Amino acid sequence: DGGITQSPKYLFRKEGQNVTLSCEQNLNHDAMYWYRQDPGQGLRLIYYSQIVNDFQKGDIAEGYSVSREKKESFPLTVTSAQKNPTAFYLCASSIGSRTSGRYSYNEQFFGPGTRLTVL
Amino acid sequence: SQQGEEDPQALSIQEGENATMNCSYKTSINNLQWYRQNSGRGLVHLILIRSNEREKHSGRLRVTLDTSKKSSSLLITASRAADTASYFCAPADRGSTLGRLYFGRGTQLTVWP
Repeated sequence: DGGITQSPKYLFRKEGQNVTLSCEQNLNHDAMYWYRQDPGQGLRLIYYSQIVNDFQKGDIAEGYSVSREKKESFPLTVTSAQKNPTAFYLCASSIGSRTSGRYSYNEQFFGPGTRLTVL
Repeated sequence: SQQGEEDPQALSIQEGENATMNCSYKTSINNLQWYRQNSGRGLVHLILIRSNEREKHSGRLRVTLDTSKKSSSLLITASRAADTASYFCAPADRGSTLGRLYFGRGTQLTVWP
């Protein structure tokens, strides 16, 4: 089955620890995204990647890091520098296409999310 | 930013009634997308309407777009309890080269049996 998966579903972290959230897709999508969602809030973009080996900061990148070494994988590390990491984290992917220097805005496919709690 | 703003924040209706949610945005768009999120789950894409389209249908969903007013609406007809979810609009900024979407805070729809 094609899709996008995230693991783990629930993650508990002690203060001062770094943790890595996994995101994998087998949709052959070029673009991948990480969002954070707090209770009753919308989605805020952390990082995104339009192509392998390249990524850009979103609106709230401080305290987070990513890598995009493979097309199908886009792991997110929540570092100890992130002061309030407890949240629901969503990964998404989309077909990336670029025309005349501009990326297209295609439908995004979301994973089931990882709920991170800091103890 | 080009964040969409949904209105109302919360909507509560009975099964069989229609539900209308609105979205306003600030700048010119390439397209506007609507997504649905069930509690504790990821988002699911519902419909994409391009800037040169005025109305689009998908099953019980009807989306309209008024670029002169910078607004869109999502209508769910004959709602069901299973439609209970949060609904988000995501405008795609025409002026950006980055290909990212901006999600608002959503409308929480509750449909009572």
